[in-house]
Amino acid sequence: EVQLVESGGGLVQPGGSLTLSCAGSGFTFINYWMHWVRQGPGKRPLWVSRINSDGSSTSYADSVKGRFTISRDNAKNTLYLQMNSLRVEDTAVYYCARAVRGHDAFEIWGQGTLVTVSS
Amino acid sequence: EVVMTQSPATLSLSPGERATLSCRASENVSGFLSWYQQKPGQAPRLLIYGASTRATGIPARFSGSGSGTDFTLTINGLQPEDFAVYYCQQDYNLPPAFGQGTRLEIK
Repeated sequence: EVQLVESGGGLVQPGGSLTLSCAGSGFTFINYWMHWVRQGPGKRPLWVSRINSDGSSTSYADSVKGRFTISRDNAKNTLYLQMNSLRVEDTAVYYCARAVRGHDAFEIWGQGTLVTVSS
Repeated sequence: EVVMTQSPATLSLSPGERATLSCRASENVSGFLSWYQQKPGQAPRLLIYGASTRATGIPARFSGSGSGTDFTLTINGLQPEDFAVYYCQQDYNLPPAFGQGTRLEIK
């Protein structure tokens, strides 16, 4: 079964840091570009970041550029999101997602992990 | 950045009817348009990508059309499990952007 499982969410104070992980299984992880997408309560999904198959190219939403870092370990079939200088407005459920080949459309999603930034 | 606008905000229909959902992009996105279904407490589910290609396992009652700036998701013969929120998303340009959603509710 193709599956993505996120972990690492939690409660953090403004200005704090957190690292999310996403473990992939049931598919050849190295063959796919991967993304992080977040969704605040009652809001539309918002794209955060993407990384290409071998990790050599990354892109970020303007709202997280300079604060978040996406990376991957293909030997461990795992995607990461290092989040620094967290703000209240970063509060959301964070999903990792596998892209359709040749598209930035998201065909496989994890179950999501909740990040709450609050004092 | 491309802005995606969906209409209507809410659509009230009965099981068995046809649903027509619209999505408009603020600029040309060619055929790089996807549709997702989301139910409460769940991740979005990809239905359509490339404007008209059904994702794996998606029933044939779901179809997508359009190109450029105007797109449509059609659901023929609504089933009880189809009542949910639907989002469109462009992936022609970075950042990929979602519309605000259409809530499909039971009439």
